[in-house]
Amino acid sequence: DSGVTQTPKHLITATGQRVTLRCSPRSGDLSVYWYQQSLDQGLQFLIQYYNGEERAKGNILERFSAQQFPDLHSELNLSSLELGDSALYFCASSRGVAGAVGADTQYFGPGTRLTVL
Amino acid sequence: KNEVEQSPQNLTAQEGEFITINCSYSVGISALHWLQQHPGGGIVSLFMLSSGKKKHGRLIATINIQEKHSSLHITASHPRDSAVYICAVRSNTGNQFYFGTGTSLTVIP
Repeated sequence: DSGVTQTPKHLITATGQRVTLRCSPRSGDLSVYWYQQSLDQGLQFLIQYYNGEERAKGNILERFSAQQFPDLHSELNLSSLELGDSALYFCASSRGVAGAVGADTQYFGPGTRLTVL
Repeated sequence: KNEVEQSPQNLTAQEGEFITINCSYSVGISALHWLQQHPGGGIVSLFMLSSGKKKHGRLIATINIQEKHSSLHITASHPRDSAVYICAVRSNTGNQFYFGTGTSLTVIP
């Protein structure tokens, strides 16, 4: 158990809908990362937050947004869902070395499997 | 264009064999990560390195910054090592994180 929790584990929804994925980091970790893993694209970095502020953006679509709250949990919002958004979404956390992405060991949550029908 | 390339894509080994997985990257980096993804989907970070070599149990990771290359070695492989191994790099410009497509390892008893 990495100490990172993600809810829900599975989510099935329809095209055009909006969903929110939630992540609670390990105690004491300030950085939260979101990743998407699809069958055809592999793992992709979406976005990183450090202590409530956005620090780095990867291949995140404009239809997606995220935030990190004062208690350090994070939410990833996916809207106007398309079939191609079906994927595993991972959250990871790290202590947060100067808030820089990938600069320290990350601990991954179990993922949320999103299916868009 | 992939910033991170791994080889081989698939690897089958007999229990006890020495295994090497390679990772080459095209961007300047400040750190390289090796991750293990189990068949159930969970991801575990194995190593983070920026130079030299690290060892943890039967796993060894090396990096050559000048060659832009890293290797992950597994000594005395075991069926429980069967997983997908993913290389990821933190670029030293633009604060980005890039992943390889993974190497699927199967170790046969």
